[in-house]
Formats: sequence, structure tokens, C-alpha cells
Amino acid sequence: DVVMTQTPPSLSVAIGQSVSISCKSSQSLVYSDGKTYLHWLLQSPGQSPKLLIYQVSNLGSGVPDRFSGTGSQKDFTLKISRVEAEDLGVYYCVQATHFPLTFGSGTKLEIK
Amino acid sequence: QVTLKESGPGMLQPSKTLSLTCSFSGFSLSTSGMVVSWIRQPSGKSLEWLAAIDWDGDKYYNPSLKSRLTVSKDTSNTQVFLKITSVDIADTATYYCARITTVAPFDYWGQGVMVTVSS
Repeated sequence: DVVMTQTPPSLSVAIGQSVSISCKSSQSLVYSDGKTYLHWLLQSPGQSPKLLIYQVSNLGSGVPDRFSGTGSQKDFTLKISRVEAEDLGVYYCVQATHFPLTFGSGTKLEIK
Repeated sequence: QVTLKESGPGMLQPSKTLSLTCSFSGFSLSTSGMVVSWIRQPSGKSLEWLAAIDWDGDKYYNPSLKSRLTVSKDTSNTQVFLKITSVDIADTATYYCARITTVAPFDYWGQGVMVTVSS
């Protein structure tokens, strides 16, 4: 299985600051069709996960453009500019290039 | 409006078979490219992908659990089912179903159903 390694495990940031979360995979996530199936989810406290970004850099529906994703091959980053209180929760990366789909261990974002 | 909702027994004993239902509306599983997936999450832990079924009836399983999993759908394409045989305490988790499309994966999730395996 593809191992997804997320860092850091937790973050504490003040409102208005910017943060980055790293996700590294044990194998390249470029599929045979040339696309990279690396996605980011946010699980707010007590809620189901929600799609933030799909295929590395595409914003999910209704997701503010404070969120952005970059990366390629095995190294990916989620950036949140100008953190807001509603951004708290656990962020997960997930790869869907290889079966089985695998998730990162999560990064917990707390607001100072 | 797309919605998904999981249902299940809440609690069951070890060695029994867990049966889960994902009831959804706002889309049809018969639409090309549509997939419904099952994911679970033990309390305080990360997510684990279990299985999926697509618009064509093709089924996909996590190899680590494949021998115990069966995913299926109803003929009206508004429900997806998951069965897990020989459950163990390690199967205690919140179980989610989620939609995957060719445009955006995991774009809609159910609220989750908590399942506890206990004697």
C-alpha cells in the first residue's frame, strides 16, 4: 500500500496567519493518464470530512481561495492563507492513484 | 441536493456479520463515472478506505479486508450496501459512505454511523 506521511501532526496558529501542511507519498502519485490523484480533506470537530482540494490544486465547490494546493510526484503541500476560526480541525491528504486508496494520518489545526 | 446517509445496527457481537446501508439522493449511481465508497474511522484515528462500487457495478476492495467485505447496490441505484463478516473489536469505528465522481472525488459524505463491536 502507498504510505502517506503528513507533517506536522499538529499546528497552533493565530487568526490571520498562514500555514502549510506537507504530505509525502511512498510512491509517485502520477497515474497512467497523466493526472495526479492527490486530494485534501478537512474534518471539522464532530463532522464528516469535507473535500477541500482535488487533484493536487483544484478547489472543491464552495472552498475559499485562501486554500491552495501544490506539489507533484511524491511531495505535496496544502497552504492556508489568512487562517480563520472556521479552519480548525484535522486535515487529511488521500491518494486515489493506487489501490487501495490510502489516507495520511492527519494534521490537527488549532487556533491560538 | 446531494445527500447520503448511513445506517447500521449500532452495536453487535464479535464474530457476527455487520450490515450497513448507504441511502442517497440527488444523484443516480447509474450515471457514468459515479462511484460510492465506504470509509471507516476508529475514534481518534485516521480514515481507512474499505470498498467502492461504481456505476457499472464494478466492485473494489481494500485487499487487507477483502475476504470479509461485500459491497453491493440496489436495482434502483439509490442504495449501496456493505457487509463485513466475522467482526472483531478492531472493527469498532464510525463508518462513512462518500460519493466519488470523475470531476471531484469525495465531494459528498454521509454523517457517518457509529458501530461498536462488543460482547
